[in-house]
Amino acid sequence: DTAVSQTPKYLVTQMGNDKSIKCEQNLGHDTMYWYKQDSKKFLKIMFSYNNKELIINETVPNRFSPKSPDKAHLNLHINSLELGDSAVYFCASSPLRGGPSMIGELFFGEGSRLTVL
Amino acid sequence: KNEVEQSPQNLTAQEGEFITINCSYSVGISALHWLQQHPGGGIVSLFMLSSGKKKHGRLIATINIQEKHSSLHITASHPRDSAVYICAVTDKLIFGTGTRLQVFP
Repeated sequence: DTAVSQTPKYLVTQMGNDKSIKCEQNLGHDTMYWYKQDSKKFLKIMFSYNNKELIINETVPNRFSPKSPDKAHLNLHINSLELGDSAVYFCASSPLRGGPSMIGELFFGEGSRLTVL
Repeated sequence: KNEVEQSPQNLTAQEGEFITINCSYSVGISALHWLQQHPGGGIVSLFMLSSGKKKHGRLIATINIQEKHSSLHITASHPRDSAVYICAVTDKLIFGTGTRLQVFP
């Protein structure tokens, strides 16, 4: 049973399209994240949700919109895709340790490689 | 300058060697994470620590809060340890740039 699962694993699309990546965790964690890994393999936090509430929103274009229907799911929707959006997107989850600012161990999905042509 | 710096960026070793990867940070943290990213791309959490030392098999992680520094050690390295090792600090969730390790038989 995969703990954090993302779909799709690969996504190839044209510039200007809208696409979504789904993420689900079955660990019962309160917090979920989206990270972007660029071509230089540098990981950067995009969003963090705690129990369906947005708690971190880094400087990400508003073409990116996370949606959390429940605490086990955090989907990423991207509008008007651009070439620079090509990257690997990782979903992750973690439990909390004693409060909203105390993040526990991180569990990652396998990543979704997005290629924008 | 990144708030989380790792060194070295690249590391090659012969099987059996003792390996050390360093991570320095300049922000306040509640915990530091060591992650391993395999050549296939998946990321696995190795350690989360906020003080002292942790050991898991051949891996040891230490942290010095006063010096804002952590090390990841691999004893008796093996080719299957070849991966990118990333340190990350919370709660700001800032990642280091990673250390690419290759262990040759």
